[in-house]
Amino acid sequence: SYVLTQPPSVSVAPGQTARITCGGNNIGSKSVHWYQQKPGQAPVLVVYDDSDRPSGIPERFSGSNSGNTATLTISRVEAGDEADYYCQVWDSSSDQGVFGGGTKLTVL
Amino acid sequence: EVQLVESGGGLVQPGGSLRLSCAASGFTFSSYWMSWVRQAPGKGLEWVANIKQDGSEKYYVDSVKGRFTISRDNAKNSLYLQMNSLRAEDTAVYYCARASDAFDIWGQGTMVTVSS
Repeated sequence: SYVLTQPPSVSVAPGQTARITCGGNNIGSKSVHWYQQKPGQAPVLVVYDDSDRPSGIPERFSGSNSGNTATLTISRVEAGDEADYYCQVWDSSSDQGVFGGGTKLTVL
Repeated sequence: EVQLVESGGGLVQPGGSLRLSCAASGFTFSSYWMSWVRQAPGKGLEWVANIKQDGSEKYYVDSVKGRFTISRDNAKNSLYLQMNSLRAEDTAVYYCARASDAFDIWGQGTMVTVSS
């Protein structure tokens, strides 16, 4: 089965840029989606199809995908961005959804 | 307002059964694939199952195949998850989600606890 690998944690100071990676075999050939989840809340889609943003998501959130790594970039990080972030793809070989293990973003 | 509301969670003994429901509103339910995603306490997200618009295709994570059944009633704008032979490791918050390739709409989740 397809595996997505994320770093368990990323820390960044307010106003700086956070980059959260998602590794997978030839992930650049897949569409990657990113979710933000705050404690006690349901996940929220923040980036879809590698780099598109749903309406209402700030332009500070962006994504890229190439080779074996997809990246979620959060510019000008704010305290309210502190959350768990998950990447997700569809594995067409098994017709199954796959999530990365999640990355806890800490704003220092 | 686009909304998904889950119900049916609770405490069940190992080997027992439970049926989750998800009521959709604010969008054309019959036009979308739908999914169930779960999250064990303190753990990450896990995709569980999804179902095509007309119910003709269904897919499951390996760990629930043969035990869980996803279904839908487009006339009632509702999604279901029948869970049989429940195990302790099925304990989780279960979310229903609209699957527009990405999961763009999520419910608030319903907690399922499998314990004696």
